[in-house]
Amino acid sequence: GENVEQHPSTLSVQEGDSAVIKCTYSDSASNYFPWYKQELGKRPQLIIDIRSNVGEKKDQRIAVTLNKTAKHFSLHITETQPEDSAVYFCAASDDYKLSFGAGTTVTVRA
Amino acid sequence: DVKVTQSSRYLVKRTGEKVFLECVQDMDHENMFWYRQDPGLGLRLIYFSYDVKMKEKGDIPEGYSVSREKKERFSLILESASTNQTSMYLCASSPPPGGTGELFFGEGSRLTVL
Repeated sequence: GENVEQHPSTLSVQEGDSAVIKCTYSDSASNYFPWYKQELGKRPQLIIDIRSNVGEKKDQRIAVTLNKTAKHFSLHITETQPEDSAVYFCAASDDYKLSFGAGTTVTVRA
Repeated sequence: DVKVTQSSRYLVKRTGEKVFLECVQDMDHENMFWYRQDPGLGLRLIYFSYDVKMKEKGDIPEGYSVSREKKERFSLILESASTNQTSMYLCASSPPPGGTGELFFGEGSRLTVL
């Protein structure tokens, strides 16, 4: 099955700085790569996703890049704000099921 | 708004008890999923279903079973609860196709097995 590894497990950044989270996956059949954000005590919610025919996607302050050859993808958050503090999960899917990484706890320091 | 409702937010059970976790979604989604969430391990897929009466094993199905008698309802069953099943359980639903649509999660059921 698919194995998704996510790094780092924790990330502390100064407000206004950028944050980068990296993930690798094992199954070359995976073709869909979403990112979920989970605030403390709340349910995970989709923030951005990318499909295998696209190398980069941007939505305001967040962007995702995908390198299918190397089997890795990354989440970039620019101009971080306190409300960006949360746990972020990457995931990979092969059309049938979604496998998640272990999560990254992001803390934005004021 | 899509609503995924899990019947119990907090449960405390004893080892060996049978446990039912219920999940209902109101958006007529074909796909439903059960994950467990543990610190440092992320979300791990237990079972999923793409249609009524249909089920597929996820990555960690041992010790669990599921039931989907109606499209809107997906139940997770622990036949004989054990302490290592203490966890947060998250139900999710999504429209087709399969695993490549947005997952809508419930609020979670925190199960403690004593």
